[in-house]
Amino acid sequence: DTGVSQDPRHKITKRGQNVTFRCDPISEHNRLYWYRQTLGQGPEFLTYFQNEAQLEKSRLLSDRFSAERPKGSFSTLEIQRTEQGDSAMYLCASSSGTIPYEQYFGPGTRLTVT
Amino acid sequence: AQSVAQPEDQVNVAEGNPLTVKCTYSVSGNPYLFWYVQYPNRGLQFLLKYITGDNLVKGSYGFEAEFNKSQTSFHLKKPSALVSDSALYFCAVRAIKAAGNKLTFGGGTRVLVKP
Repeated sequence: DTGVSQDPRHKITKRGQNVTFRCDPISEHNRLYWYRQTLGQGPEFLTYFQNEAQLEKSRLLSDRFSAERPKGSFSTLEIQRTEQGDSAMYLCASSSGTIPYEQYFGPGTRLTVT
Repeated sequence: AQSVAQPEDQVNVAEGNPLTVKCTYSVSGNPYLFWYVQYPNRGLQFLLKYITGDNLVKGSYGFEAEFNKSQTSFHLKKPSALVSDSALYFCAVRAIKAAGNKLTFGGGTRVLVKP
């Protein structure tokens, strides 16, 4: 399978705990994106990497959230001190550097904060 | 700022009938436009895109979309719907000259195709 993969697929955690998600993009894609999707809504942009550089961050990405892409390959998204409002599906996407940069999405990580 | 509106939360259609899912957008300058489909507990699957040129774009699984610049619309269409087309559909936009690459999505339209 050469698509975008995400791990874990599901995560249940208690409020106040830290969680980390991983995304492996399509291998030849140099651009990687994180989105958050709550029930019944469209995905909302969180952050964007070009290679290892984090070029854009949404205001949705509070200081409890941090994302990295250390070698320009896989990426991690960490949420510290989780809150119930963090419960959502976290989607990762990747794209090539070719216009119009259509993004291909992974299956998502569903986070439930209890 | 860029935005997308999908005015219908749900569209019901009988199998074999034409399907239309509406999308209007707002963006500074010219847009790139996309349609994605989402099945339960799965990520978004790319259907088709508009870059420039022909206003009628053909995509996967028999879907097509018509770009109308004057009405700022990009409606998704399928001539003959299948039960398996039942899913959540999202329209997304990105301004061509946007500095970043983020997509802005609509709220989604649930399509229910009845046998």
